[in-house]
Amino acid sequence: DARVTQTPRHKVTEMGQEVTMRCQPILGHNTVFWYRQTMMQGLELLAYFRNRAPLDDSGMPKDRFSAEMPDATLATLKIQPSEPRDSAVYFCASGFERGSDYGYTFGSGTRLTVV
Amino acid sequence: KQEVTQIPAALSVPEGENLVLNCSFTDSAIYNLQWFRQDPGKGLTSLLLIQSSQREQTSGRLNASLDKSSGRSTLYIAASQPGDSATYLCAVMSGGSNYKLTFGKGTLLTVNP
Repeated sequence: DARVTQTPRHKVTEMGQEVTMRCQPILGHNTVFWYRQTMMQGLELLAYFRNRAPLDDSGMPKDRFSAEMPDATLATLKIQPSEPRDSAVYFCASGFERGSDYGYTFGSGTRLTVV
Repeated sequence: KQEVTQIPAALSVPEGENLVLNCSFTDSAIYNLQWFRQDPGKGLTSLLLIQSSQREQTSGRLNASLDKSSGRSTLYIAASQPGDSATYLCAVMSGGSNYKLTFGKGTLLTVNP
């Protein structure tokens, strides 16, 4: 089965450090989403790309977060500087659109702890 | 802004019971609605996807219904098993051209042997 690969699976870092999370979408999928999951807020959309172009990053704190898709096989989410409130699980999902048919596959997530 | 609500937040049932999970959404202009399962510490697994033109979808012991006009969906699980214990998330894809998913906060289901 094709899958979305996220690295690292777990990350513990000190406040103020830069964090980079990576996602390898499924080959052939043209959309990539970044979500953050916390107990309080649930799943929140941070940013998404279609055909590598950023379409919406309104859910992302722009002063410290950035999302890029340097090529079709890699999407990155960076936090600089990181803060304890950024502790969460970050999910990447890739999706396809074929006519009126849509599909999404989620990665296993990166569990980030900022101390 | 689309908002998705799931009730109840948690549910505990004995093995073998049939159960219903509820999902409501505020904006009926959706492309589709999807039910996901999430096991502790894991990612999301898609269970059922209902297109906006459909009323229900079935997969094994799972049946999901959609009433777009009233902004409601239900996930029916027949003959529940301990292996069904997980968090169930409802997500809607909003209308327009952005294909975003808006999630509810989920229902934590525990099926007791």
